[in-house]
Amino acid sequence: GAGVSQSPSNKVTEKGKDVELRCDPISGHTALYWYRQSLGQGLEFLIYFQGNSAPDKSGLPSDRFSAERTGGSVSTLTIQRTQQEDSAVYLCASRRLAGVYNEQFFGPGTRLTVL
Amino acid sequence: GDSVTQMEGPVTLSEEAFLTINCTYTATGYPSLFWYVQYPGEGLQLLLKATKADDKGSNKGFEATYRKETTSFHLEKGSVQVSDSAVYFCALLYSGAGSYQLTFGKGTKLSVIP
Repeated sequence: GAGVSQSPSNKVTEKGKDVELRCDPISGHTALYWYRQSLGQGLEFLIYFQGNSAPDKSGLPSDRFSAERTGGSVSTLTIQRTQQEDSAVYLCASRRLAGVYNEQFFGPGTRLTVL
Repeated sequence: GDSVTQMEGPVTLSEEAFLTINCTYTATGYPSLFWYVQYPGEGLQLLLKATKADDKGSNKGFEATYRKETTSFHLEKGSVQVSDSAVYFCALLYSGAGSYQLTFGKGTKLSVIP
């Protein structure tokens, strides 16, 4: 079946602009995560959605970052007033609800470059 | 907080050489441990996992044993192939806040040459 998809695959923007990154999780997966992969920092957790519960936003680096998940499926990560340090690969992952050890399936990522 | 430290790369090996990538962790409680692999141009994939002390995860000839006494989860493979060239990430599962988020090491790039 289809895996996690993300769009766009690449995004180049100018400093100060807003960007939106999209994630389509695997159908039936109720948990959705955003991570950021940046040079020298490795992979960092950003935000977690689980069903209708309030999202865990503890990993968001600043209030310029926000995310929403509509209808328990598609998610959008928005970065306002982008800065050069926001340049990274943004990864989305989804997981079935049941079982803490259930595998997180990752999408291919969106490479964001802020000029 | 929880953290993962893995050996810095890049690592370059000849085909059929033995591979070890070291990984140690710091965590409260008893985390689950994972190795993820990222092949060139592809997304992260789960390679193997171990959920409790002394468990051995294995897949595709790779193995790692959860060592609680040394807080380690080193990745090993007896004979690497060119197709194993990828970036390998050690990770632990943080469940303290109920988010089950993964905490990753910084990754180790492996290049296998014929």
